[in-house]
Amino acid sequence: AQKITQTQPGMFVQEKEAVTLDCTYDTSDPSYGLFWYKQPSSGEMIFLIYQGSYDQQNATEGRYSLNFQKARKSANLVISASQLGDSAMYFCAMRDRGSTLGRLYFGRGTQLTVWP
Amino acid sequence: NAGVTQTPKFRVLKTGQSMTLLCAQDMNHEYMYWYRQDPGMGLRLIHYSVGEGTTAKGEVPDGYNVSRLKKQNFLLGLESAAPSQTSVYFCASTLGGNQPQHFGDGTRLSIL
Repeated sequence: AQKITQTQPGMFVQEKEAVTLDCTYDTSDPSYGLFWYKQPSSGEMIFLIYQGSYDQQNATEGRYSLNFQKARKSANLVISASQLGDSAMYFCAMRDRGSTLGRLYFGRGTQLTVWP
Repeated sequence: NAGVTQTPKFRVLKTGQSMTLLCAQDMNHEYMYWYRQDPGMGLRLIHYSVGEGTTAKGEVPDGYNVSRLKKQNFLLGLESAAPSQTSVYFCASTLGGNQPQHFGDGTRLSIL
């Protein structure tokens, strides 16, 4: 079974608008961490934001925030005030106690396109 | 400010050839990983290491070998390359715990 599911292969958003990228996860471990990475067309993987399963508040990093709904097992990434440079592939990833020594399980990604 | 460095960045091989991909990190991280990225598949773990001298298999280890003789280096070897190993390979490292994995820029490998 997929540990991480990203159901949106592609998303489009107009510049300056907000966009939500969906991520659902599957784990029975009470202790886990959720990560979002950005992969621009140049190919590198850029860490964006982290949410721990015991964190009381949703994580935020600048224009990025994580809408963490534990009961629904969802960890959606919200990008506010989109910029053209936000166009990229976005990956959700999870590490749980079952993850062999810190390995990450990745979703298949969502390709975000920001248009002017 | 190097972080994680992968060499080479691009390589074309013929079926049956061998090669080694090098990953070097200067952050004193214990944990290192090799992933492959294929279209529509996300990243899949090939092998990983939890410290100098230790390696273990990940999700898709067949056809690959690894070594970690020094803490800062993690080598991925293809003994007899196959077209199915055409992919983009990423190395990553982390301190562990809640810390994120830091990735190299990737190696684009084509097997003809």
